[in-house]
Formats: sequence, C-alpha cells, structure tokens
Amino acid sequence: TQLLEQSPQFLSIQEGENLTVYCNSSSVFSSLQWYRQEPGEGPVLLVTVVTGGEVKKLKRLTFQFGDARKDSSLHITAAQPGDTGLYLCAGRAPGGSQGNLIFGKGTKLSVKP
Amino acid sequence: EAGVAQSPRYKIIEKRQSVAFWCNPISGHATLYWYQQILGQGPKLLIQFQNNGVVDDSQLPKDRFSAERLKGVDSTLKIQPAKLEDSAVYLCASSRNTAGYTFGSGTRLTVV
Repeated sequence: TQLLEQSPQFLSIQEGENLTVYCNSSSVFSSLQWYRQEPGEGPVLLVTVVTGGEVKKLKRLTFQFGDARKDSSLHITAAQPGDTGLYLCAGRAPGGSQGNLIFGKGTKLSVKP
Repeated sequence: EAGVAQSPRYKIIEKRQSVAFWCNPISGHATLYWYQQILGQGPKLLIQFQNNGVVDDSQLPKDRFSAERLKGVDSTLKIQPAKLEDSAVYLCASSRNTAGYTFGSGTRLTVV
C-alpha cells in the first residue's frame, strides 16, 4: 500500500514568518499534486509536479518534487492569514488509473495576524 | 465556468437509515469521482466514473454503498444502511484530463 506521510500535522505561526511542510513516501509517484482545503469547502488544486527535481513557484509558494519522485515540499514565504488552511499532497502511482490519486492526511496551517 | 455542485451540504441521519448524495460535475468533464474524507484524514477514493462507466470502485464498500451516473453527467451516491463510521464529508470531483481535479464543497454526513 502506498502511503503519503505529511509533516508537521499542525503548524501555527505568526504573519510574516516562513514555513515548510513536507510530503514523504517510500514509493515512487509519476506526479504529485498539492491542494489547499478551507473549512467547509473541497480541496483546491495549487500545483502539479511531474519531473524529479522540479521546482514550481506560485507567488509566495514554492513547490519542489524530490529527485527520486518520492517526496515533495511546500515552502511559504512571509505567510499571511489568508494562507490558513489544510494543505494536502496527493500522488499518482506510475501506471495507475487516472483515479488512483492517493492523498496524505494533510498539514493544518494557522497563520495569526 | 460553474463549479462542481453537490447537495445537500449537510445531512444528519440515524444509523441503519438510508441517505443519498447528488453531484453535478463541470460541463464537459467526462471523469467523475466520489471521495470520502473522515475528520483528520485526507480524501479516500470511493469510485471513479468515465462517462457513465465505472473505472475504479475497488475501495467502495459495496455491501452498503452504491453509486450511479446513468447519463454520464449527474451522479448519485447512496448509503444503505448507514453506520456510525460512515460519518464523514463526501466529496465529488470532476476532471477533463489528468491535469487536476475540481472538487465540490462536499456533503457533511453525521450518523447518530
């Protein structure tokens, strides 16, 4: 069974601080996605990374896919209260069907003003 | 473009009762997914449809859960009879290709 471990599980920081959250697995994924989920809403796709070592930036968010395509990180610079939410990583197994998207348990981020 | 619509938003039922959830995907999205998200966990795929055919239902508890997508557009997920452990948010998502999913806001089910 492929598992995605996310850490930390909870993170509470002050506005303006930087942070990094991690998504790790012992399995290889053909691609990995990051989602943000706010209370009472469904997850919203932030980014998809496909190539080992790939780095993508989305404003203050930087996403990196590990060289071996087993892990990923999300770094937020100068966090703002609007960044508060549950950050989920989701991986697709090589050769898996389009629906074979495995989610981690998420990192719950709280940014205080 | 309109998002994925789900109803109801909330449902409270007693154990052993039946419940149904409805999903209308984004127009033109051939693939539709139902996920179960238990509090404190990530979403877990229950079933995937490609048009009106089932692609993957390996994690669907078929003794009590059923789903259909008769005309390849709307979908219904049913639980009969419900158990306490079915309390969760049921998320519907759709996609046009493998690029990414668009999720609905979900239905929060509480079984008492």
